[in-house]
Amino acid sequence: SAVISQKPSRDICQRGTSLTIQCQVDSQVTMMFWYRQQPGQSLTLIATANQGSEATYESGFVIDKFPISRPNLTFSTLTVSNMSPEDSSIYLCSVVGSGRTTNEKLFFGSGTQLSVL
Amino acid sequence: KQEVTQIPAALSVPEGENLVLNCSFTDSAIYNLQWFRQDPGKGLTSLLLIQSSQREQTSGRLNASLDKSSGRSTLYIAASQPGDSATYLCAVNDNAGNMLTFGGGTRLMVKP
Repeated sequence: SAVISQKPSRDICQRGTSLTIQCQVDSQVTMMFWYRQQPGQSLTLIATANQGSEATYESGFVIDKFPISRPNLTFSTLTVSNMSPEDSSIYLCSVVGSGRTTNEKLFFGSGTQLSVL
Repeated sequence: KQEVTQIPAALSVPEGENLVLNCSFTDSAIYNLQWFRQDPGKGLTSLLLIQSSQREQTSGRLNASLDKSSGRSTLYIAASQPGDSATYLCAVNDNAGNMLTFGGGTRLMVKP
């Protein structure tokens, strides 16, 4: 299984500022995913982050608002830009596990709980 | 577009009961289905993964079944314990890209 470290675990931010969330994996993975979970809601995929190319964004999410970096196969960042209270959510990174018994199983970081005042 | 529904949205049971959580999906052309557990304010823990060719998977007191043709999966929890209290999410993978569509979750409370 993959071990994922996500930082920060929580933050309280002011409207109009930006926050960068980091996701570190203990092994090299091809694909990393960023999800958002709004209060009381299920998870929604923001984008897929691939090393060496631009992230692929889902409908309703744009690069200017959620820029993503993927400098290598073990690390990615998601920035929430120009924040508003509507951005208050849990943000989670996810990777596909590797190895014969866990192939295709997705593993998640512990999440970043963001509150925007 | 794939839609995933979980029923019930919330469930409260006394300790020791066997229980069933339901998940339905609209497009049966799935690659696999995964059940997760989420504790309040935390990330997700993968419980069981069922490939489209499989009918069920078991792990300890958990058993997940898949009926792809009818678009349904169930998660069976035997002899429930207070530590099982959490939100349980099912997620469907429509393609080999591993992008998941999540259900709304079932919030489970097991009372001592």
